[in-house]
Amino acid sequence: GAVVSQHPSRVICKSGTSVKIECRSLDFQATTMFWYRQFPKQSLMLMATSNEGSKATYEQGVEKDKFLINHASLTLSTLTVTSAHPEDSSFYICSALRANYGYTFGSGTRLTVV
Amino acid sequence: GQQLNQSPQSMFIQEGEDVSMNCTSSSIFNTWLWYKQDPGEGPVLLIALYKAGELTSNGRLTAQFGITRKDSFLNISASIPSDVGIYFCAGGTGNTGKLIFGQGTTLQVKP
Repeated sequence: GAVVSQHPSRVICKSGTSVKIECRSLDFQATTMFWYRQFPKQSLMLMATSNEGSKATYEQGVEKDKFLINHASLTLSTLTVTSAHPEDSSFYICSALRANYGYTFGSGTRLTVV
Repeated sequence: GQQLNQSPQSMFIQEGEDVSMNCTSSSIFNTWLWYKQDPGEGPVLLIALYKAGELTSNGRLTAQFGITRKDSFLNISASIPSDVGIYFCAGGTGNTGKLIFGQGTTLQVKP
């Protein structure tokens, strides 16, 4: 079946540093990847849509210079949280869309900024 | 923007009972998906619906895509303790592939 690997699963970083999160589709090529953010006891909020070889499309209110998305290949998208602050602490989840097969979600990354 | 209203927000039931939750929207969706999320994990797909009126089962789970394309429900029959978790509906509009998620229903099952 379709598997999406998200790494790391947990990360703690100091305020002001940058953190990179990887999302890989292991056994299929993803036409599109999505990045979500989830605060405790809340729903998933879409941050951006990422297509291979093109600039990501960000949702309203999401700072593109703070949340850098790179979609280098059909199997890899990365999200870099730049100059992280405590309010960026959250659960980040990626999902990959495979044509005619649907969506597969990664297992999420718990980011804690101290 | 598009929003999904999911209810109930939480449920606490006895093992063996049936459960029903639903999502409604003022917008039309082309796809309705139901996911379960365990703590600290990403959502796992339970049922996907692609046609208005479609009724699909997956074991003890049954979901329907509303005929108006603005709503969907999920039923769980004969609940068991491992059904505990947060259930999300998600609506898709097609071209962009974007999904809009409901607020979630937290299910607790008492053995």
